[in-house]
Amino acid sequence: SQKIEQNSEALNIQEGKTATLTCNYTNYSPAYLQWYRQDPGRGPVFLLLIRENEKEKRKERLKVTFDTTLKQSLFHITASQPADSATYLCALYTGGFKTIFGAGTRLFVKA
Amino acid sequence: DGGITQSPKYLFRKEGQNVTLSCEQNLNHDAMYWYRQDPGQGLRLIYYSQIVNDFQKGDIAEGYSVSREKKESFPLTVTSAQKNPTAFYLCATHRQGELFFGEGSRLTVL
Repeated sequence: SQKIEQNSEALNIQEGKTATLTCNYTNYSPAYLQWYRQDPGRGPVFLLLIRENEKEKRKERLKVTFDTTLKQSLFHITASQPADSATYLCALYTGGFKTIFGAGTRLFVKA
Repeated sequence: DGGITQSPKYLFRKEGQNVTLSCEQNLNHDAMYWYRQDPGQGLRLIYYSQIVNDFQKGDIAEGYSVSREKKESFPLTVTSAQKNPTAFYLCATHRQGELFFGEGSRLTVL
């Protein structure tokens, strides 16, 4: 069956450290992968998109890697801040206007 | 400001009632979507529409209906046939690989 897996356990880190979140998928061949941020009671907000032929993408303190052989993406937040505390969603665009989402990983950054 | 407006933000429904969630966008995007979010699960696609007067079922369309009479509007009706409607509902548009979401509507069945 097709699955997208993100760590269901919350990630707790200290301010200033690098947060690394994992997204694994099976039985998909996505054209591209996206990461979204979601705050409690709010809609998700787009952060980054990485295409299947790209290995790495950066935006300010954010970095995403995409390994289509391992079927895995890693999402890094460097120099993390308490304001980075949120749920981060991984999503795969599989074509035909359909995007499939993981359940998300909750990140807590402690001051 | 350009964006997606969902209303109401909170809605309570008695069993057996139909309710309609509103979604309006001024981004001029063609594609619009409705997702459902439950705790511990990823967003699940209910319906999507690529153009006016056309829409397709997503993965969990049973018990829901939509219309797309205008480009700006994509309302979702949760019917009494939906057995477990309590959830957080998200409307979105799509452009160049990016989904733009509204702030969501939380429906609770009493």
